Amino acid sequence: DSGVTQTPKHLITATGQRVTLRCSPRSGDLSVYWYQQSLDQGLQFLIQYYNGEERAKGNILERFSAQQFPDLHSELNLSSLELGDSALYFCASSVGQSDQPQHFGDGTRLSIL
Amino acid sequence: GESVGLHLPTLSVQEGDNSIINCAYSNSASDYFIWYKQESGKGPQFIIDIRSNMDKRQGQRVTVLLNKTVKHLSLQIAATQPGDSAVYFCAENNYGQNFVFGPGTRLSVLP
Repeated sequence: DSGVTQTPKHLITATGQRVTLRCSPRSGDLSVYWYQQSLDQGLQFLIQYYNGEERAKGNILERFSAQQFPDLHSELNLSSLELGDSALYFCASSVGQSDQPQHFGDGTRLSIL
Repeated sequence: GESVGLHLPTLSVQEGDNSIINCAYSNSASDYFIWYKQESGKGPQFIIDIRSNMDKRQGQRVTVLLNKTVKHLSLQIAATQPGDSAVYFCAENNYGQNFVFGPGTRLSVLP
C-alpha cells in the first residue's frame, strides 16, 4: 500500500460531461502529481502542485484543471469530455518538490461512452 | 483487468533465471533515475533509484546499472519469480524538473 488514495476507482460517463477525480497524498507529502496513462502510451505527466501552489505543468489540456487544497488533497477536473479522454488517471505524491521517488495511487479508470 | 500498454516490448524469462530490462533515456543532462514496477490494476510501485554520480546500485534481488556515456539504464532482477511479472518503467529527472517516463517493458515469468 503506497499510502496514496484515489477515488473513485472507476468512472463511466458520456461525452461532453464533466468529472472530478480526487487524490489524498501520503501523510507528510507536500507534492501531488497527476498523470494520464492510455492503453498505447506510457505515463504522461499532467500537472504538479506543491503545498497548495501549482509548480509545474505538462501535457495538460485546457479542458482539464486541478487544485490542491489546504489539507493537501487534490482534485483533477476534466470537462467537455471526449472519447479520447478514456484512460487511467494516476495521482502520485512526494515529500519535496522534485527529484525524489513518487508514490502512486492505484488510479481512476475513466471510461467515456 | 484491462492491460496497460498492449503493444509493449515483452521479455519472457524462466522462473529462477535472471532478468535484464533495458531503458534508453533521452536527456544527457538527466541526473536522477528511477525504476517502477506496475502490476495489472495497480499504480506504479517504486523499486530502486540511482543518481548520476553512481554507475551501480543494488537492492534486494535488484541491481540498477547506469551508463551515462550511451544514456542507458538497466534493471537486473536476480532469481526471477512469478510475482515479478509486471510492466517495468524507467523514469529520468533533470535537475529537479519533472520525471519523464519510458514506454515500459512487460516482463513475463514462465513456470
